[in-house]
Amino acid sequence: DGGITQSPKYLFRKEGQNVTLSCEQNLNHDAMYWYRQDPGQGLRLIYYSQIVNDFQKGDIAEGYSVSREKKESFPLTVTSAQKNPTAFYLCASSIGLLDTQYFGPGTRLTVL
Amino acid sequence: AQSVAQPEDQVNVAEGNPLTVKCTYSVSGNPYLFWYVQYPNRGLQFLLKYITGDNLVKGSYGFEAEFNKSQTSFHLKKPSALVSDSALYFCAVRDQTGANNLFFGTGTRLTVIP
Repeated sequence: DGGITQSPKYLFRKEGQNVTLSCEQNLNHDAMYWYRQDPGQGLRLIYYSQIVNDFQKGDIAEGYSVSREKKESFPLTVTSAQKNPTAFYLCASSIGLLDTQYFGPGTRLTVL
Repeated sequence: AQSVAQPEDQVNVAEGNPLTVKCTYSVSGNPYLFWYVQYPNRGLQFLLKYITGDNLVKGSYGFEAEFNKSQTSFHLKKPSALVSDSALYFCAVRDQTGANNLFFGTGTRLTVIP
C-alpha cells in the first residue's frame, strides 16, 4: 500500500447523499484508477485518468464522478444516482497506463 | 474481449505443502498477466507479472507463476505454503494493444492449514 493513501477507511452515509472518497499518491505516477470491489465479483473499473485534467469512464461509471486537478490526487464522488453504492472502493496508480498498478488500502462505504 | 477465470473459489493446503492457484485467460493479442494478493480489509498487493520472455516468473514472498500460451494459463505456485499466505488472490490480464482495462478474475481464497 505504500505511497497511496485513501481516506477515510470506513464511511457511512445516508441514502440520497453524495459522498467523496479521497485518493492521494506520492509515487509521481501519471495514471490513476478507481475500482469497486463486491464479494465474489472481483474488481470492476469505475474511472481512470492517464494524466492531469483528463479522465475516462470505466466499465461501471454510472452514478460516479471524478476530477484530476493535480497529479497526486484523484477523488471519487459517489452520487445519489448510484443505485447500490455500498462496496469496498480501491484506488490505484501506475507510471503509465500499461504499467503495473499499485493499490491503496481502500475505503469501505456503507450507505444506510 | 478480455476475460479471466479463476476456477476455484477456495483452495485449502497444509502448511509446508506446495500450493497452486489456477488462472486461465482470454485476450485478443499477447497478454500482460498479473497476480495480486489481498489481506482482509486491505488493498491489493502486487506479487508478480508476465510481460514477455521467460515463461516462469518469480515474484514476492517466494511465489512464482508459469505462463503457458497453449493452455492460456498463468497458475500461481509456491513450493512450501505458510500460514501467513492465507489470503485472497487475484489474477488479472490486459492485452498488449493498449487497451486500458486491467481485467480481474473473481479471486481465489487460499487457506493454509497449520
